[in-house]
Amino acid sequence: DVVMTQTPVSLSVSLGGQVSISCRSSQSLVHNNGNTYLSWYLQKPGQSPQLLIYKVSNRFSGISDRFSGSGSGTDFTLKISRVEPDDLGVYYCGQGTQYPPTFGSGTKLEIK
Amino acid sequence: EVQLVESGGGLVQPGRSLKLSCVASGFTFSNYGMNWIRQAPGKGLEWVAYISSGSSYIYYAETVKGRFTISRDNAKNTLYLQMTSLRSEDTALYYCARLDGYGFAYWGQGTLVTVSS
Repeated sequence: DVVMTQTPVSLSVSLGGQVSISCRSSQSLVHNNGNTYLSWYLQKPGQSPQLLIYKVSNRFSGISDRFSGSGSGTDFTLKISRVEPDDLGVYYCGQGTQYPPTFGSGTKLEIK
Repeated sequence: EVQLVESGGGLVQPGRSLKLSCVASGFTFSNYGMNWIRQAPGKGLEWVAYISSGSSYIYYAETVKGRFTISRDNAKNTLYLQMTSLRSEDTALYYCARLDGYGFAYWGQGTLVTVSS
């Protein structure tokens, strides 16, 4: 199985600040079809996960441009700019290139 | 509006069975592959099973293979997960999720399964 390693485990940021979350996969996430199926999800307290970013850098419908994804191969980053109170929660990266789909262990974002 | 509503969770003894359901609305259910994903209390996300739109392709996590069965009824817009030989480590919140070309784009609110004597 592809192992997804997220860092840091947690981070604290001031409102209006910027944070980066790293996600590294144990194998390349480039599919045979040329796509890279790396997604980012946010699970707000008491809620189901929601899709933020798909295929590395594409924002899902309704997602603010304060969220951006980048990376390639095995190294990926989620950046959140101008952090707002509603951004708190646990962020997960996930891969869908190889079965079984796997997720990182999560990064908890707290607001200072 | 896409909606996924899970049900069927509860407290069950080790070794017993339970069947979860997920009713979909707001989209053409028969056009999409569907998944079950679970989250143990205070833990991360674990994919459990996938079924293609027409049930031709089915995949399971190794941790549940041989014990869980995913199925769907497109006429009823419903996804199922039959769970047998349940273990304490199966205790989790079980989500159904729609798989798009984008990833797991839509999730239900989850149904809690607790395996305990």
